[in-house]
Amino acid sequence: GQNIDQPTEMTATEGAIVQINCTYQTSGFNGLFWYQQHAGEAPTFLSYNVLDGLEEKGRFSSFLSRSKGYSYLLLKELQMKDSASYLCAVKDQAGTALIFGKGTTLSVSS
Amino acid sequence: DSGVTQTPKHLITATGQRVTLRCSPRSGDLSVYWYQQSLDQGLQFLIQYYNGEERAKGNILERFSAQQFPDLHSELNLSSLELGDSALYFCASSGGGFYNEQFFGPGTRLTVL
Repeated sequence: GQNIDQPTEMTATEGAIVQINCTYQTSGFNGLFWYQQHAGEAPTFLSYNVLDGLEEKGRFSSFLSRSKGYSYLLLKELQMKDSASYLCAVKDQAGTALIFGKGTTLSVSS
Repeated sequence: DSGVTQTPKHLITATGQRVTLRCSPRSGDLSVYWYQQSLDQGLQFLIQYYNGEERAKGNILERFSAQQFPDLHSELNLSSLELGDSALYFCASSGGGFYNEQFFGPGTRLTVL
């Protein structure tokens, strides 16, 4: 079956670093995406990994280990506006649909 | 603004009714995806169209159907509505992004009373 696991909630303070983990078990793999979603709004694309390793994009980085079925999203220098839900999604074998985890709600406090 | 538009923004209806949700993809994107997001289930893939043809099906109920028209806009039809169909329905499109990532519309919030 298809399964993507993320922690339900995380809290952090402004200026800190937080790591959001994602483990997946899917029938196929054509890449892993991270999306950010503020409450009631559309998900917005953050990052993409298809090969093992770290991809850095400003304050956000994402890591992938295909052999372990594991990814993480690293957010540095946290700001209040980073309070949102972070969704891990795997592109399945057909290379079409995204299979989403239930998301991690991050709360950043001052 | 992702460039994907959805109408209406909100929809309130009664059980047993039928509604149509509309989506216009980003200019040039040929693929359109529909997702349902409820509080307990997260984002669930319903169906994908590519250039007018059905490409992939997810957890879409038989009461739900979709189509993509020659101008590439898509409609999702939900019939015999039940209370449990209340959710946010998102449309996404892809084709022009560097990673072929999906760009999501603002969603339609459906409330079934």
